Amino acid sequence: GAVVSQHPSWVICKSGTSVKIECRSLDFQATTMFWYRQFPKQSLMLMATSNEGSKATYEQGVEKDKFLINHASLTLSTLTVTSAHPEDSSFYICSASWVGTAGGEQFFGPGTRLTVL
Amino acid sequence: RKEVEQDPGPFNVPEGATVAFNCTYSNSASQSFFWYRQDCRKEPKLLMSVYSSGNEDGRFTAQLNRASQYISLLIRDSKLSDSATYLCVVSPYGGSQGNLIFGKGTKLSVKP
Repeated sequence: GAVVSQHPSWVICKSGTSVKIECRSLDFQATTMFWYRQFPKQSLMLMATSNEGSKATYEQGVEKDKFLINHASLTLSTLTVTSAHPEDSSFYICSASWVGTAGGEQFFGPGTRLTVL
Repeated sequence: RKEVEQDPGPFNVPEGATVAFNCTYSNSASQSFFWYRQDCRKEPKLLMSVYSSGNEDGRFTAQLNRASQYISLLIRDSKLSDSATYLCVVSPYGGSQGNLIFGKGTKLSVKP
């Protein structure tokens, strides 16, 4: 149980275009979803936290107008990277949890590798 | 001081060796502690939670020292399949609603 999927698994796009990444909880209802970003040889960094039906909470330094997050249902959250630039190239990973998961455990999607040319 | 610090390694060990990883965290109010494993170009996967009393899962033993703000992971009888990056993870909150703070990870390479 507790499976999280992401789509697409990788994407290459031109600078200036927008890219949407989907995160789905397949066998549970995720009250909270998290979006992380990982640059090579760096740790995962939390970008934002979203609760179903409410606005996402962004971490300091993350532009909310550039990284649009929608968590419209208990099984789906989307991250849209608007006007992507090469410095946005990274590994984007979502995770999901629900009220009652022990001690803050989160279940991670397989990640989306974004390359902006 | 970084929130979660780990020795980056790499640790290169032969099969069957015992290896220990250490981690320190800066927020004394942290509530939850985990070790995750991340294979190259993959998502992190939970290896084990870490409890104050220490806990063991097969060849893996985790310890927490709240006074020293120190977490450890011991792997006995290393297998080739243990090769991965091990992430020390801390949550400032209990429950499911808090974000996780990741260390950079310690890379382990187990050789035949």
